Amino acid sequence: QKEVEQNSGPLSVPEGAIASLNCTYSDRGSQSFFWYRQYSGKSPELIMSIYSNGDKEDGRFTAQLNKASQYVSLLIRDSQPSDSATYLCAVTYNTNAGKSTFGDGTTLTVKP
Amino acid sequence: DVKVTQSSRYLVKRTGEKVFLECVQDMDHENMFWYRQDPGLGLRLIYFSYDVKMKEKGDIPEGYSVSREKKERFSLILESASTNQTSMYLCASIDRAGGYTFGSGTRLTVV
Repeated sequence: QKEVEQNSGPLSVPEGAIASLNCTYSDRGSQSFFWYRQYSGKSPELIMSIYSNGDKEDGRFTAQLNKASQYVSLLIRDSQPSDSATYLCAVTYNTNAGKSTFGDGTTLTVKP
Repeated sequence: DVKVTQSSRYLVKRTGEKVFLECVQDMDHENMFWYRQDPGLGLRLIYFSYDVKMKEKGDIPEGYSVSREKKERFSLILESASTNQTSMYLCASIDRAGGYTFGSGTRLTVV
């Protein structure tokens, strides 16, 4: 079993819809959680971080964390074609020099 | 903004060559990382460093070594390049909150 698992995708939503991306992790000691966006041919870019249970909102993006269920999600409201990318979930175990473990990513396509 | 600069965007090397991939960050971060990214395999950690001259193996260190002589520079070395090392190589540093800033990547082809 992989340490960080994401929906295999691809995920396709119409423009203006809510895109929901999900991630589960195996280590209960995990403390920091991140979402990265990666456009085709580009390197990953950090878009959200979350450290405690609940929701964290930043513009059209909301990250949700449930440590009891070992689950983290990313919601993208009012999806735009420019949101089309691969989204990577990352989990950090703070005792390891900030080393993150990444999921394989979910590819999102937003159709106009 | 933190900047992580990788010296080459594309490289083509021959089997058996020694290859150096350079990475420089400008924000005095202590922790730096080298990953490779392959379709279907995701991001895999090769080596990381949490201080000058300090390094630790990641998940796939075989065939690689690293050097960190100065805080801002973290180099990845392919001792004898092989075709299975054809990949996208990503360098990153992290801030105090733990988020990564990646360089633009080096796409290495070994022929």
